[in-house]
Amino acid sequence: ETGVTQSPTHLIKTRGQQVTLRCSSQSGHNTVSWYQQALGQGPQFIFQYYREEENGRGNFPPRFSGLQFPNYSSELNVNALELDDSALYLCASSEGALNTEAFFGQGTRLTVV
Amino acid sequence: DQQVKQNSPSLSVQEGRISILNCDYTNSMFDYFLWYKKYPAEGPTFLISISSIKDKNEDGRFTVFLNKSAKHLSLHIVPSQPGDSAVYFCAARRSGAGSYQLTFGKGTKLSVIP
Repeated sequence: ETGVTQSPTHLIKTRGQQVTLRCSSQSGHNTVSWYQQALGQGPQFIFQYYREEENGRGNFPPRFSGLQFPNYSSELNVNALELDDSALYLCASSEGALNTEAFFGQGTRLTVV
Repeated sequence: DQQVKQNSPSLSVQEGRISILNCDYTNSMFDYFLWYKKYPAEGPTFLISISSIKDKNEDGRFTVFLNKSAKHLSLHIVPSQPGDSAVYFCAARRSGAGSYQLTFGKGTKLSVIP
């Protein structure tokens, strides 16, 4: 049974650019949630995908968008990057949308310069 | 407006003693609570959870207590081990609409001193 894997682990982008982060969910899990963790803060919910549909969204602007594929892997896309987007981006997968036990990947550290 | 608060940014405990990590919440719609542990350069790891219909859940060295009237939960680690040194996050899920998201506290950094 494979765990949740995210790629890349680190990347540096310039303000105004676009970025795509990827997440492979744990085997048997059909739900992926994305979180942003700024330095010294807890993870903040961005959105959740359940069976390829967006199932809920947190307080993030539309330039944060996502996809879930038939194999339940997922992408997070961020357009028009801002300096404040610098953070650790975490993907969590679960069996079902109710988050009774969500498993996290190691995260992608994004730095916007 | 922080709905989940972990008021102690850090905690130091001697090896073998009890570690008590606290978490307060303000939203009475929260019905399920989780604790995660996070090492540097790793994602959070699920530790233990508790439903709002219970007041205690135990798993090995880890016990979570829930006081609904006080909107307070705590994680007890007994005995504490050096490998427990990590950042601990309390998270909450609300019932009904919005149950798709977890709301996290800012975390408490636990240091277990050998």
